[in-house]
Amino acid sequence: AQSVSQHNHHVILSEAASLELGCNYSYGGTVNLFWYVQYPGQHLQLLLKYFSGDPLVKGIKGFEAEFIKSKFSFNLRKPSVQWSDTAEYFCAVSHAGNMLTFGGGTRLMVKP
Amino acid sequence: DGGITQSPKYLFRKEGQNVTLSCEQNLNHDAMYWYRQDPGQGLRLIYYSQIVNDFQKGDIAEGYSVSREKKESFPLTVTSAQKNPTAFYLCASHRGLTGISANYGYTFGSGTRLTVV
Repeated sequence: AQSVSQHNHHVILSEAASLELGCNYSYGGTVNLFWYVQYPGQHLQLLLKYFSGDPLVKGIKGFEAEFIKSKFSFNLRKPSVQWSDTAEYFCAVSHAGNMLTFGGGTRLMVKP
Repeated sequence: DGGITQSPKYLFRKEGQNVTLSCEQNLNHDAMYWYRQDPGQGLRLIYYSQIVNDFQKGDIAEGYSVSREKKESFPLTVTSAQKNPTAFYLCASHRGLTGISANYGYTFGSGTRLTVV
């Protein structure tokens, strides 16, 4: 079965620090990759997605992610975080249709 | 505005009781999903339905049941057989079944937090 691993469960950063959240998946075929964010008390929202083409994907709010096929990875990055980026971030993968498999999530806390 | 409505937002259940969580969407989406969210475990798929009158078990279907009698509605019943029902439940929908519809991603509801007392 396909699995998605997010190795950092909790991350604490100061404002203006750079962010990188790891995501690895197990499926070896063609995949679609997503990062979702859940701000406190809010819905899950799509940050960015990769289907094909340029492996460096830019999303909303200054986030980007790079698909590295050889490493089965889709890490999320942001050069300079803000206090408002405090949230839980989920990596998700789909293949063979629209079924999404989610990682365990990473809770990010940004200290002002 | 189109979206997904989950109700209630908070629900308390006594042990041994069944309880039904509501999920309604007005997006005209074909596919609907129920996920359970637990700390550190991400979102795990309970049931999904890709078309009216049809649904499939997800990874953790035991102790749950669903129905899909209407396109816009996908209620989830947490039965007394579910041993650890206290969790946050998320409903999601998706535009289509296969192919390019995958480009549109999922829309999520705001969730129902169920607590067994």
